[in-house]
Amino acid sequence: AQRVTQPEKLLSVFKGAPVELKCNYSYSGSPELFWYVQYSRQRLQLLLRHISRESIKGFTADLNKGETSFHLKKPFAQEEDSAMYYCALRDSGYALNFGKGTSLLVTP
Amino acid sequence: DTEVTQTPKHLVMGMTNKKSLKCEQHMGHRAMYWYKQKAKKPPELMFVYSYEKLSINESVPSRFSPECPNSSLLNLHLHALQPEDSALYLCASSQEQRDYGYTFGSGTRLTVV
Repeated sequence: AQRVTQPEKLLSVFKGAPVELKCNYSYSGSPELFWYVQYSRQRLQLLLRHISRESIKGFTADLNKGETSFHLKKPFAQEEDSAMYYCALRDSGYALNFGKGTSLLVTP
Repeated sequence: DTEVTQTPKHLVMGMTNKKSLKCEQHMGHRAMYWYKQKAKKPPELMFVYSYEKLSINESVPSRFSPECPNSSLLNLHLHALQPEDSALYLCASSQEQRDYGYTFGSGTRLTVV
């Protein structure tokens, strides 16, 4: 069985501070991992894919198979980063399963 | 066109009504999905269609009936719903290839009275 764990329900940081949203997974195969973001009253948007190793809006995420983690990081948080962030794992049957989400609040 | 379009955006229905939610995409994606999202909760998978065939039904009650008329359209037929079915219903689509993410619609906010 697969599982995605986001241990922090709420994360509050000051503007300009580094931020790390944690995601751990359990999956018997080779995982496909994603980060999605949901801004207030907006649709769910794909933020990052583990395969692409890109940086979007200053965010990066590295897959660590040894620690079964896929943490999302940004060196300097901005107020517009305040949103709900979901880590998600896609299984071999194409189902995308989400963690419970972390609400990020960036305060001035 | 890089969007998933859902209609209606809002729907209020009685417990004896029959209504349908519609979803459309023109990105050539061959996998389409219905999710249910309650307030402050993650989306929960309901159904997966692959090449217009139902491949996953996550033990959803029969009062929800999905339909995929063609590769661009996905419907969710609703009948005899309960107030606890009130939620945001999200449609998504994706490529079948590995490591592609889903594209989500903005959802239909359903209220059952």
